[in-house]
Formats: sequence, C-alpha cells, structure tokens
Amino acid sequence: KNQVEQSPQSLIILEGKNCTLQCNYTVSPFSNLRWYKQDTGRGPVSLTIMTFSENTKSNGRYTATLDADTKQSSLHITASQLSDSASYICVVSANPGTALIFGKGTTLSVSS
Amino acid sequence: DVKVTQSSRYLVKRTGEKVFLECVQDMDHENMFWYRQDPGLGLRLIYFSYDVKMKEKGDIPEGYSVSREKKERFSLILESASTNQTSMYLCASRAPGLAGGEQYFGPGTRLTVT
Repeated sequence: KNQVEQSPQSLIILEGKNCTLQCNYTVSPFSNLRWYKQDTGRGPVSLTIMTFSENTKSNGRYTATLDADTKQSSLHITASQLSDSASYICVVSANPGTALIFGKGTTLSVSS
Repeated sequence: DVKVTQSSRYLVKRTGEKVFLECVQDMDHENMFWYRQDPGLGLRLIYFSYDVKMKEKGDIPEGYSVSREKKERFSLILESASTNQTSMYLCASRAPGLAGGEQYFGPGTRLTVT
C-alpha cells in the first residue's frame, strides 16, 4: 500500500535554532516528492519538488534532501523564525497516474 | 501570479442543507482537485477532474458530487450536509507534467455543519 509517514508529529524549537523534519514513503513507482508549508487556516504552499534524480533542493532557509534508495526525505530549516511556525506536509507522486499521496504533516512551533 | 480562489473562507450550514463550494483558477490548468483536511487525518482526496465535464472519484467521494462546466471552475456539492462533513475543504489545480506538475492550493473553506 502506498503510504507517506512523517515524523515527528509535532516539534517545538527556539527561534534561531535549526531543525529537521523526516518523511518516509513506500510509494512505488516513484515520480516526485514535494514539501508544502501550511500556515494555520490557509492552504498549503509549495516549498520544493524533487524528482528521482535529485538529492537535494533548497528554497531560502529550507533545504530538502531525497534518498530514493532508502525512500526517505528530510526538510531542514536553518535559523528558524517565528514565521516558520506551520504544518509541513510531505507529498509523494506515483508514476504513472495523477494521485498524490499525502503525509499527515509535522506541526512546527517556533517560540521566542 | 498563480491564483486559486475559493468562494468562502468560512461557512456555517444546517444539517440537510445543500451546500455549494466554488473554486476558480486562473492558470488554464486541466487538472483540478477537491480535498478535505481533518486533524490527525491529513488531506484526503474527494474528487478530481482532468477536463471540462470529466470527473473521477477520489478516496472519500461518499456524500459529495462535483461539477466542472468550465475549465477554470470546479464546484463541490454536498447534497445533504451532515455534521460529519464539518471540515476544512481545499481546492487545488495542477500544472501539466509527467505524473503531475506543481500543484497550487486555494486558501480553503472552513465548513461547519450544525
């Protein structure tokens, strides 16, 4: 069964610290992996999208890595800010087909 | 700038009412989606459409229907709202590409059924 598991479920860090969110998937065949940021009460916004051949991709202070062999991805946030407080959702696309498989998200709280 | 808009941010309806949720995208995308999002369950696909007048059931279509009369507009219909349909509803459209390009979400509609 195609699944996407994220950990931890929630995380609290101090402003300025770094953190890493994890995503493990069992989707096959694999097409691409996306990370979304969702602020409370808003729709998700794309941070990165990576295909099979990409190991890492950055978007400002956000860096996503992908290990297609172990079927793991991580999202690293550097020098966290209060505005990073949000839910981060890992989404995997199977090939072929159009269905996206969503993880349940990690809720990050950044405190001052 | 890419835009997906939803007709209401917040909606309160009574049990048994017929409810229409509207979604409009301005990117000329063929693929559009309706999801619901509940705490602890994440996003679940209700219906999607890959062209005008075409629709496909997602993972949880029961109690819902959809309409796509124009390319830019995708409507979700709750024929007879029930309390278990209280949820956040998210519309999305997707750029073309092998196995799906970038997916853009609307701001969401928080529906409460009393």
